[in-house]
Amino acid sequence: SQQGEEDPQALSIQEGENATMNCSYKTSINNLQWYRQNSGRGLVHLILIRSNEREKHSGRLRVTLDTSKKSSSLLITASRAADTASYFCATDAMNRDDKIIFGKGTRLHILP
Amino acid sequence: NAGVTQTPKFRVLKTGQSMTLLCAQDMNHEYMYWYRQDPGMGLRLIHYSVGEGTTAKGEVPDGYNVSRLKKQNFLLGLESAAPSQTSVYFCASRGPSNTEAFFGQGTRLTVV
Repeated sequence: SQQGEEDPQALSIQEGENATMNCSYKTSINNLQWYRQNSGRGLVHLILIRSNEREKHSGRLRVTLDTSKKSSSLLITASRAADTASYFCATDAMNRDDKIIFGKGTRLHILP
Repeated sequence: NAGVTQTPKFRVLKTGQSMTLLCAQDMNHEYMYWYRQDPGMGLRLIHYSVGEGTTAKGEVPDGYNVSRLKKQNFLLGLESAAPSQTSVYFCASRGPSNTEAFFGQGTRLTVV
C-alpha cells in the first residue's frame, strides 16, 4: 500500500493566491520529499525535509513536517499559471530499506 | 549532462509479447528505481536496486523482472505482457540516502 496520501486530490485557485497541499504518511521516516509533475512529463524534485527538521523554504515554496502527526504540508505562495501541475509527496522510511514511496498526488490548477 | 534516460519512449505490445525497458543514468548513483503510473494511482514502486548486482521487490513486482548488471543501467523486463501492464513507466536514480531522486521522462506502454 502507498505510504503517503495527499489532500486534496485536486485544487483550483486563482492566480496570485496561495496553494496548500497536505500529505499524511504511515511509518517513521528519514525524510519526506515533494515533487512536481507537469502533464505527460517526468517528476521534478522540489524540496526534501529531514525528519529532524520542522520547516524548510525554497523560493515561493514552504514545507512543514510534523512527525508526531505523520504529516507534511506544501505551501506555494503567490501562485502562477506555470505552477499548474500535479504535486506528490514521497517518503524515505526509517527502516532503511531504501525505498522511496509516493502518494497519489494533488492536481493543482491555477486559474488566470 | 543527460541525467536519467529511458528507452524507448513509446511502445505498443500484443498480449503475451515480451520486452525490456532500459534506464541509464550518468550520475554514478547507487540507487535506481522503477515505477509505474496509472490514472488516480500516483506512482507505485515495481522494483529497485541499491547497487550494481542487487535488486529488490517494491509494491507491485508481479509480472516484472529487473537486472542491474552495470551500475549505470537498470533494466525492466516484461516476460509475457498483459493489458493490465498498460501504463507509464518511470525510472529514477539517486545518490546517498537523504538525497533527491532524479527521474527519466517516462515510457508509455500499451498492451493490446
